[in-house]
Amino acid sequence: NAGVTQTPKFRVLKTGQSMTLLCAQDMNHEYMYWYRQDPGMGLRLIHYSVGEGTTAKGEVPDGYNVSRLKKQNFLLGLESAAPSQTSVYFCASSWDRAYGYTFGSGTRLTVV
Amino acid sequence: GESVGLHLPTLSVQEGDNSIINCAYSNSASDYFIWYKQESGKGPQFIIDIRSNMDKRQGQRVTVLLNKTVKHLSLQIAATQPGDSAVYFCAENPTYGGATNKLIFGTGTLLAVQP
Repeated sequence: NAGVTQTPKFRVLKTGQSMTLLCAQDMNHEYMYWYRQDPGMGLRLIHYSVGEGTTAKGEVPDGYNVSRLKKQNFLLGLESAAPSQTSVYFCASSWDRAYGYTFGSGTRLTVV
Repeated sequence: GESVGLHLPTLSVQEGDNSIINCAYSNSASDYFIWYKQESGKGPQFIIDIRSNMDKRQGQRVTVLLNKTVKHLSLQIAATQPGDSAVYFCAENPTYGGATNKLIFGTGTLLAVQP
């Protein structure tokens, strides 16, 4: 039972390049989330999904897009990467609003 | 790369001592609270949770206390070990969020265990 799996673990992009971060969960969770974590700023919500086929904006959505075509997968896309998007990205999932999140191990992204 | 622990409040304890990590939460209507542990280079890991109808809950070597009057949570770790060194942060689930489960996370406290 893998829980939440994120790929890749590390990536270096040049400014203007695009990429997709993949998140997969095998717990049949309805809710999925993408966060970024920067030193001293804690976890900030980028986008989230309350079920297959749904997405919604979080606290810091600009420059990112998401898709949830299958219940188990939540994709985060950067269309034109900027240095300000250098961060550690975490995906999380949860069963319901009354339960905590299970986090993936993170993707460390550097944009140069 | 930079550590998530930079610029965070730090609690330094001796191995074997008890640790108490505090958290002030923001919303009096929050009904569910969680403590997470994040080791360097890893994702946050669930430690223990508590619902607003309780004021104390115990796990293995950990206890969470909830004081709704002053909107305060604490995490107590008994007999702290070097493996407990990590960033600890609390999260609250505000009921005004409606059907969507969106936790609000604190910025965390770095626990440094001295041998």
